[in-house]
Amino acid sequence: KAGVTQTPRYLIKTRGQQVTLSCSPISGHRSVSWYQQTPGQGLQFLFEYFSETQRNKGNFPGRFSGRQFSNSRSEMNVSTLELGDSALYLCASSPGTGMPDTQYFGPGTRLTVL
Amino acid sequence: AQSVTQPDIHITVSEGASLELRCNYSYGATPYLFWYVQSPGQGLQLLLKYFSGDTLVQGIKGFEAEFKRSQSSFNLRKPSVHWSDAAEYFCAVGAKGGGSNYKLTFGKGTLLTVNP
Repeated sequence: KAGVTQTPRYLIKTRGQQVTLSCSPISGHRSVSWYQQTPGQGLQFLFEYFSETQRNKGNFPGRFSGRQFSNSRSEMNVSTLELGDSALYLCASSPGTGMPDTQYFGPGTRLTVL
Repeated sequence: AQSVTQPDIHITVSEGASLELRCNYSYGATPYLFWYVQSPGQGLQLLLKYFSGDTLVQGIKGFEAEFKRSQSSFNLRKPSVHWSDAAEYFCAVGAKGGGSNYKLTFGKGTLLTVNP
């Protein structure tokens, strides 16, 4: 099976712009979670989508949003970018049904905000 | 709220030496525990996981981890380290979120350097 794919791998934006990141989960997986990784804060949970619905949400401002499509692909959007949004954004997919569950991560999108 | 502590920020070992990376968690119920590894510029790769049952779990690349409920620990071990093991290692606990699924809470990571 192909793994989790994320596009683009690298992105450079300027403050105030918005950005959209994409994630394609492992075939058959219905849950997609997003994490932000920074040197200072480490890995932090952003949100999780299952069957096109946001099921869990972390403590991030409303500038961070996401959605999931019927084929389970997910997008994450950040509006009005700030310098502090520079990070590696990781997407993880899992079957999403039953407990417990195991998340498999993609290679990430490296976002740099200038 | 759940939390994970990895006390060692950076560990250096010689190739062929044994390795133990420490992980302590805080969670009120039975935890689901994971170890992931991240090479530079890469995503996270799952090494092993503990859900229930045998407290000593085997993973990929010769790694194992032992769950000790009394110590709230889930330490990662490898008997003989290879140069290719140099990477950053993350311990994580899975706890129920608002829905029926869960979210992962990660430790800050331990950077492993392997000397030849």
